[in-house]
Amino acid sequence: SAVISQKPSRDICQRGTSLTIQCQVDSQVTMMFWYRQQPGQSLTLIATANQGSEATYESGFVIDKFPISRPNLTFSTLTVSNMSPEDSSIYLCSVWLAGVIDTQYFGPGTRLTVL
Amino acid sequence: RKEVEQDPGPFNVPEGATVAFNCTYSNSASQSFFWYRQDCRKEPKLLMSVYSSGNEDGRFTAQLNRASQYISLLIRDSKLSDSATYLCVVNLGNTGKLIFGQGTTLQVKP
Repeated sequence: SAVISQKPSRDICQRGTSLTIQCQVDSQVTMMFWYRQQPGQSLTLIATANQGSEATYESGFVIDKFPISRPNLTFSTLTVSNMSPEDSSIYLCSVWLAGVIDTQYFGPGTRLTVL
Repeated sequence: RKEVEQDPGPFNVPEGATVAFNCTYSNSASQSFFWYRQDCRKEPKLLMSVYSSGNEDGRFTAQLNRASQYISLLIRDSKLSDSATYLCVVNLGNTGKLIFGQGTTLQVKP
C-alpha cells in the first residue's frame, strides 16, 4: 500500500481567485489521477497526471481551468483557476497501485468552498 | 445512458439484515470491477474486487455476470458500521481509468 496525502485538507476561497492542491505519495507511482466530487454526486475524473508531460484531460475539463503539474513520480499539483461557486467540490487525487489488487487508491481529498 | 448505473437508494435496513446492491455497466470491454466504500466526508476506499467466480470477504460477497454486464454486492448480518455509500466501479483497461457509479447509500439502523 502507499500513504497519500493532500494539502490543503479544506479551504474557503473568493471567486476569481485560484487554489493549488498538492498530492504527495510516499512511494513512486506511474499513474496519478485527479477527480472532482460535487456535493451529492459521485466521482468525476478530471485528468490523468503524466510525469514529464502534459496531463491528459477528460471531456469537459481544460488545462486553462485545471492546470496540472507532475514533476516527479511522487508528487502532483492541481490548480483550480478563476474560481466560481460552481467549483465548490471535493478534489481527490488517486494513484494506481499494483499489488494484491491492482486498482486506484485515494488521497483524503481537499474540500473547497468558493464564495 | 450512464456507463455505470446503480440504484442510489437509500436502503434503510435493521441491524442483522441481509442487503443486496446491484450495478450494471455498459461497456462490454470492461476488464476489472470493484466495490468501493465511501463514508461521509471521506475518500473512497476499496472494499473488494469482483470476479465472475464470485468472491467472499467475511460478511461481504461480490459477484460478476459478464454476459448480463451486471455486478452485485451482498452484505449479510448488517452492522451499524456498514452505513456508508457503496460505489460500483469499472476499469476499462490499461489506461488505469476507473468509471464510478453514482453510489448506493446504506443506512443500518439499530
